Amino acid sequence: GDSVTQMEGPVTLSEEAFLTINCTYTATGYPSLFWYVQYPGEGLQLLLKATKADDKGSNKGFEATYRKETTSFHLEKGSVQVSDSAVYFCALFTNTGNQFYFGTGTSLTVIP
Amino acid sequence: EAGVAQSPRYKIIEKRQSVAFWCNPISGHATLYWYQQILGQGPKLLIQFQNNGVVDDSQLPKDRFSAERLKGVDSTLKIQPAKLEDSAVYLCASSLVGSGGVQGGQYFGPGTRLLVL
Repeated sequence: GDSVTQMEGPVTLSEEAFLTINCTYTATGYPSLFWYVQYPGEGLQLLLKATKADDKGSNKGFEATYRKETTSFHLEKGSVQVSDSAVYFCALFTNTGNQFYFGTGTSLTVIP
Repeated sequence: EAGVAQSPRYKIIEKRQSVAFWCNPISGHATLYWYQQILGQGPKLLIQFQNNGVVDDSQLPKDRFSAERLKGVDSTLKIQPAKLEDSAVYLCASSLVGSGGVQGGQYFGPGTRLLVL
């Protein structure tokens, strides 16, 4: 079945460090891929998305490229800030299943 | 544009009691989702509505959970009776019809944090 696997956390980085959170997927058909962010005590917010192979989603300095050949959608940011501390969820949506599948989330803590 | 509204934000009950959660989606969003998010895990879909019809409720524990979306707008999720393992955050989300992958995904409410003692 359709699923998402993301790297386990927690991840702790110093401010201005480079961030990578790995995400791979399994899906039938051609899914759309998403990264959501959840700040403490809040609901999930869409961070970025890509709807087809080789698309790059970007927002707030974060980027992820839809790689069909490696079935991956890794999240990257060149220089993290303390305010980026949150839990990040990779997700996919398939028209065949017509629903979202979320990864287990990766907790990021950025220290000054 | 107002976001997805949920209430209450927090609820503490004893096992075997009943509880209900309310969700008001973004205006014009025909598709509404209820998720259960257990601590340390990703959201798990419980039920999906399109307008006032159920699209998918395959993961809803129907012996104790029920949900309805009268008039295709607001929705309520009920647990009766609650068990200890129901302690979780219950998230409501909405999206445009059939557009989850194109129009930017789902919009989530802040969630209701349930603790069952």
